Amino acid sequence: DVKVTQSSRYLVKRTGEKVFLECVQDMDHENMFWYRQDPGLGLRLIYFSYDVKMKEKGDIPEGYSVSREKKERFSLILESASTNQTSMYLCASSSGGIIYEQYFGPGTRLTVT
Amino acid sequence: SQQGEEDPQALSIQEGENATMNCSYKTSINNLQWYRQNSGRGLVHLILIRSNEREKHSGRLRVTLDTSKKSSSLLITASRAADTASYFCATIGTDSWGKLQFGAGTQVVVTP
Repeated sequence: DVKVTQSSRYLVKRTGEKVFLECVQDMDHENMFWYRQDPGLGLRLIYFSYDVKMKEKGDIPEGYSVSREKKERFSLILESASTNQTSMYLCASSSGGIIYEQYFGPGTRLTVT
Repeated sequence: SQQGEEDPQALSIQEGENATMNCSYKTSINNLQWYRQNSGRGLVHLILIRSNEREKHSGRLRVTLDTSKKSSSLLITASRAADTASYFCATIGTDSWGKLQFGAGTQVVVTP
């Protein structure tokens, strides 16, 4: 059974803190993605990676960075958390080439106070 | 940017009824996908339809695609309470490698 796991389901951080969100997939997928989901806006792509140490900006990369040191792990970093980054964060992975299907993790609900 | 837009935003039906939701998009696509999200959880892939296909079935799901109108519909037949979820369409553009563009979703509530 394919699996994408995220390090936390719920996270509460203070403004200005550095926040790490971890995502691990066990499907040997080349591509990994980070989205944020806000009511009425659907999912918006923050960053994606198509190979180890490779990364590409998505639609809303400002305020975020990513790291992919190993194929199975993709980290999202909030260098200095702000209240407008309170959101649901979803990680996904897919096999290489044209995307036919993405597999999603359960999500991390981050609250920045 | 948001590519797909679902309509309606919310839908409430009774068990046994059919649920239909629509998706419109803006640019040429390689394929269109539908996902389901149960409350507070990750998304689950339901079905994919390629740009050269017009209709596809999977169990109680039926998807249509009209590329001339840049629109798609998802029909869930004989709905069940377990179908209560949000449904999202997502597209892959012909010029946007591998990136899915999601709509805002349709929230479906099926009452017993």
